[in-house]
Amino acid sequence: EDQVTQSPEALRLQEGESSSLNCSYTVSGLRGLFWYRQDPGKGPEFLFTLYSAGEEKEKERLKATLTKKESFLHITAPKPEDSATYLCAVQATDYKLSFGAGTTVTVRA
Amino acid sequence: EAGVVQSPRYKIIEKKQPVAFWCNPISGHNTLYWYRQNLGQGPELLIRYENEEAVDDSQLPKDRFSAERLKGVDSTLKIQPAELGDSAVYLCASSLDLSLLDSRHSYEQYFGPGTRLTVT
Repeated sequence: EDQVTQSPEALRLQEGESSSLNCSYTVSGLRGLFWYRQDPGKGPEFLFTLYSAGEEKEKERLKATLTKKESFLHITAPKPEDSATYLCAVQATDYKLSFGAGTTVTVRA
Repeated sequence: EAGVVQSPRYKIIEKKQPVAFWCNPISGHNTLYWYRQNLGQGPELLIRYENEEAVDDSQLPKDRFSAERLKGVDSTLKIQPAELGDSAVYLCASSLDLSLLDSRHSYEQYFGPGTRLTVT
């Protein structure tokens, strides 16, 4: 069974304090690894897709990386508007998307 | 361009009552998904449609849940009768047709705002 474990569960940061979120996964055959952002009361918002180990994607203050067993989401110099829950998901070759429980990030001004 | 539309946004019902959720996907997206998200958890897939066909309903509790996508566009998810444990957010998502890709690529899913169901 595909499994996705995210850590930490919650992260409190001071504005400008860079940090990383971890996503460990096991999947029978990886089609892709996805990162989503979810704000309270809203649906997940797509951020990145990663396909192979060594791949990196960047968007503003966010950078996602992928190894064979983990993915990291690096937040550089975060701002209060980066506060959200970040979800990691893996898609197997059978198309099934399995989500982790998420990391809730709070950035204080 | 309009995103995925869901209604209602909130629903409060008593246990044993029926409830239905509606979803309109992004135009041109042949693949539609229904997920359930419990508090503090990630979304869990209930059913996936390719056009009108339900191609993966293995996680759908078929004794009380049903879904349809009659014309390959809008979809409805129904629960009858609802139980206390059904309280959750029900999310609809859509994507381009995955079968058009090789096994090492995918299309991202776009989610609607969800329906928050409370069963009392």
